Amino acid sequence: GIQVEQSPPDLILQEGANSTLRCNFSDSVNNLQWFHQNPWGQLINLFYIPSGTKQNGRLSATTVATERYSLLYISSSQTTDSGVYFCAVGEGVAGNQFYFGTGTSLTVIP
Amino acid sequence: GAGVSQSPRYKVAKRGQDVALRCDPISGHVSLFWYQQALGQGPEFLTYFQNEAQLDKSGLPSDRFFAERPEGSVSTLKIQRTQQEDSAVYLCASSLGARGSGANVLTFGAGSRLTVL
Repeated sequence: GIQVEQSPPDLILQEGANSTLRCNFSDSVNNLQWFHQNPWGQLINLFYIPSGTKQNGRLSATTVATERYSLLYISSSQTTDSGVYFCAVGEGVAGNQFYFGTGTSLTVIP
Repeated sequence: GAGVSQSPRYKVAKRGQDVALRCDPISGHVSLFWYQQALGQGPEFLTYFQNEAQLDKSGLPSDRFFAERPEGSVSTLKIQRTQQEDSAVYLCASSLGARGSGANVLTFGAGSRLTVL
């Protein structure tokens, strides 16, 4: 299967700071999604972004499929941004086999 | 329903017992996935359904694991003769499953936490 590496593994930010999370993957994919897992374990989809750039409020994401990486940007971080961020990539005819990275654990301190 | 519903949220089983975990996907979602998440790890793929057809079960760790979705909606993951290494959170996700941009966006349930003693 596809190998997915995320960096950094852990990140501690002061509230209001900006950050960039990275996802590298080992093979071409036709589906890439970013998720936030909150402290209660719920996985929330942030972006569906197999290529290009998207923005949603303080979050934005960019995927450069030809170079096999994706970036998640968090600006003006808030304590509610704390949790684990996962990148998941999909392959196959309809991108139905998803592989998750080990995640970036983010702690935002007030 | 409005979201993906999983039950039970918590299950404690004695080693050797059988367990059944239920997933009720978003109405109309064709694709359904089961994932296993160990503590501190990312979710790992177990199996995938398109409607009632189980198209990929390559992630099931042993023949003690069995999943079904007989009518193409609710799915059950069954684990027979549970072992301590089966302790994990079992996540269910669904997606529209059709072709086209965004059709494979995953929506996850809250998970079922299984502890095997």
